[in-house]
Amino acid sequence: AQKVTQAQTEISVVEKEDVTLDCVYETRDTTYYLFWYKQPPSGELVFLIRRNSFDEQNEISGRYSWNFQKSTSSFNFTITASQVVDSAVYFCALGRGFKTIFGAGTRLFVKA
Amino acid sequence: EPEVTQTPSHQVTQMGQEVILRCVPISNHLYFYWYRQILGQKVEFLVSFYNNEISEKSEIFDDQFSVERPDGSNFTLKIRSTKLEDSAMYFCASSGLAGGLGDTQYFGPGTRLTVL
Repeated sequence: AQKVTQAQTEISVVEKEDVTLDCVYETRDTTYYLFWYKQPPSGELVFLIRRNSFDEQNEISGRYSWNFQKSTSSFNFTITASQVVDSAVYFCALGRGFKTIFGAGTRLFVKA
Repeated sequence: EPEVTQTPSHQVTQMGQEVILRCVPISNHLYFYWYRQILGQKVEFLVSFYNNEISEKSEIFDDQFSVERPDGSNFTLKIRSTKLEDSAMYFCASSGLAGGLGDTQYFGPGTRLTVL
């Protein structure tokens, strides 16, 4: 079965705190892709990152970083020095074949 | 930067009516998708479309749904006889050459469908 679990429903932090959003996936495929999308209050889905199953290197993009560990089937997302504009729902997703399977999302509140 | 566009942004319809949601994918993309998100819930895959035919569909995509690429630019989702539970945000997405190999899908802003 293909599944993405985001156990954290909501997280609330104060501006400038670091925050990590957890993502655990299940798949029997050897080739698959992992994604993070951001959904701000305006509702659109904004692509953040794509990772294939053969590339376990961690990635950093500005204040964002991602930790991919195949051994634990996890693809966690960390925001360093969070800002109010980071407030959104963040979705982790698993891509296989022609479809993308989304997790339930984590709602992040960043308070000033 | 090229983007996926969707019209209308909000559609209100009566139960039992047909609706057509429209999307213009990114121009050089070959794979097209529809997803839906019931308010406050996860994004769910409906259907993928390539080379003028459905390549994969979910159990949600039953006989009341159909997709079409009527011309070289538009991609439509038709719901034949809407039900209250079809109320949701519908997202169109497109991806480039790799498509089925997990290419990044770029999403449109969504159409909010309200069925009364």
